[in-house]
Amino acid sequence: GAVVSQHPSRVICKSGTSVKIECRSLDFQATTMFWYRQFPKQSLMLMATSNEGSKATYEQGVEKDKFLINHASLTLSTLTVTSAHPEDSSFYICSAHAGPNEQYFGPGTRLTVT
Amino acid sequence: QKEVEQDPGPLSVPEGAIVSLNCTYSNSAFQYFMWYRQYSRKGPELLMYTYSSGNKEDGRFTAQVDKSSKYISLFIRDSQPSDSATYLCATLNQAGTALIFGKGTTLSVSS
Repeated sequence: GAVVSQHPSRVICKSGTSVKIECRSLDFQATTMFWYRQFPKQSLMLMATSNEGSKATYEQGVEKDKFLINHASLTLSTLTVTSAHPEDSSFYICSAHAGPNEQYFGPGTRLTVT
Repeated sequence: QKEVEQDPGPLSVPEGAIVSLNCTYSNSAFQYFMWYRQYSRKGPELLMYTYSSGNKEDGRFTAQVDKSSKYISLFIRDSQPSDSATYLCATLNQAGTALIFGKGTTLSVSS
């Protein structure tokens, strides 16, 4: 299957700082990428849909000014958590749309805000 | 009612057992159903997907969809310790743009 990478795999930051997470499709182009958040023992919750060259679509309850998404190319989407708080600590996972009914997930980024 | 319901378990079985994992969904318009496997601290990987009702088999795995009862199942035959993971069912939303996940069932296969 197609490969999606995420960087960094783990990050610890102080409260009030910003953190950028990158999601790359390595062997295919993805016009659409998705960002999910997963709390311990919970399911993946879709945060936003990222479309190359246009603004991201955010799910209800997700603050677009706090979670900035940039999909600058067909292989790269970034999620920036601004002014991070301890409650933002979570596992962030991206996925890339590779074709009809094909979504491939990245390995995830564990964010810890102290 | 959540759109996709899944019992989180945990489920513990001995090696070689047949495992049955199940989900229910609420929207009869959903057509595509997926099963993902997620190892600890990793992203989910797609195991199988099915369209509408019916069965699909791949090696030791069988996915089953019953649209009349809005019930989806994943069967694992001859389970192995390496099958120990969290299994997430998912469906594609009506717009076909995003996945809706169940909570995931944690499976542990002991040798």
